[in-house]
Amino acid sequence: SQTIHQWPATLVQPVGSPLSLECTVEGTSNPNLYWYRQAAGRGLQLLFYSVGIGQISSEVPQNLSASRPQDRQFILSSKKLLLSDSGFYLCAWTWTATGYGYTFGSGTRLTVV
Amino acid sequence: GNSVTQMEGPVTLSEEAFLTINCTYTATGYPSLFWYVQYPGEGLQLLLKATKADDKGSNKGFEATYRKETTSFHLEKGSVQVSDSAVYFCALSHSGGGADGLTFGKGTHLIIQP
Repeated sequence: SQTIHQWPATLVQPVGSPLSLECTVEGTSNPNLYWYRQAAGRGLQLLFYSVGIGQISSEVPQNLSASRPQDRQFILSSKKLLLSDSGFYLCAWTWTATGYGYTFGSGTRLTVV
Repeated sequence: GNSVTQMEGPVTLSEEAFLTINCTYTATGYPSLFWYVQYPGEGLQLLLKATKADDKGSNKGFEATYRKETTSFHLEKGSVQVSDSAVYFCALSHSGGGADGLTFGKGTHLIIQP
């Protein structure tokens, strides 16, 4: 069966510090991978998605970047965090099959102080 | 562009009450529709889905029917329990494979009181 791992679960970082969140998927190959952010009191916002190694699409301009160095690994990064980067970050994967549901990781709670 | 609109709540109900959470969407073509649930401190779990008009998704006593004529996918449950307390998200993806990800509503916070 397929599983998705996301870490760390909780992170407190000072403003201006770098960020690296990692997400890995097991039990499948060539998944579509996604990073979402859920800010306090708001819905889910798609940040990045990837359909293959080295292929990254950005949905919104921001202080963040994403990379996919391996087929089942998706990394979210920042060189210098802002207070507004605080939120709940979720990684997700899906197959390309029509209508197949998306499976989410357990999320990372990031607080920038 | 695509959009999903749902009641934000919080919605507070007593145990065993009937639940309806409204969801309407705007999209081109024929999207797939989903309901996700997020329990406190956790990620999202797929609750149910429907991939074409008039399909009914169901799971754990929850149901939703894909209504193309009203562009709606309302979530219902006949008798809610305290354990159903969570945030519920309505979402859509394009039937072309979904590489562009899901479009979510803002979520509905459901509180069930014993």
